[in-house]
Amino acid sequence: DSGVTQTPKHLITATGQRVTLRCSPRSGDLSVYWYQQSLDQGLQFLIQYYNGEERAKGNILERFSAQQFPDLHSELNLSSLELGDSALYFCASSVGGGTGNEQFFGPGTRLTVL
Amino acid sequence: KNEVEQSPQNLTAQEGEFITINCSYSVGISALHWLQQHPGGGIVSLFMLSSGKKKHGRLIATINIQEKHSSLHITASHPRDSAVYICAALASGSARQLTFGSGTQLTVLP
Repeated sequence: DSGVTQTPKHLITATGQRVTLRCSPRSGDLSVYWYQQSLDQGLQFLIQYYNGEERAKGNILERFSAQQFPDLHSELNLSSLELGDSALYFCASSVGGGTGNEQFFGPGTRLTVL
Repeated sequence: KNEVEQSPQNLTAQEGEFITINCSYSVGISALHWLQQHPGGGIVSLFMLSSGKKKHGRLIATINIQEKHSSLHITASHPRDSAVYICAALASGSARQLTFGSGTQLTVLP
């Protein structure tokens, strides 16, 4: 158990819908990272937050947004969902803000868009 | 061409064999991560290294910065080592994101 929690574990929804994925980092970790793992693209970095501020942005679509709250939990919002958004979404956390820190991964949320 | 390439893509070994998984990258990096993804999907960080060699139990990771190459070795492999192993590079400079290899599916047979 990494200490990182993600909810929900599974999510099934329809195209055009909007969903919110939630991540709670390990106690004491200030950084949260979001990753998408799809069958055709593998693992891709989406976005990083450090202590409430956006720190780095990767291949995140405009339909996707994220935020980190004062209690350090983070939410990833996915809107206007398409079939291709079906994937495993992981969050990870680390103590510091540089991605050179070891990251601890949550169990993932499996999103299926029908 | 992917910035991070792994080989082999698939690897089947007998229990007890010594295993090597390779990772090559084309950009300058400040660190390289090795991750293990279990059949259920969970990801565990195995190593983060920027030079030399690290060892944890039966796992050894090495990196050669000049040759832009890293290897993950598993000694005395066991069926519970069966998983996907992924390397990820952190580019040096202002970039702060990990770029992932496509993974190596390892199956260790009893």
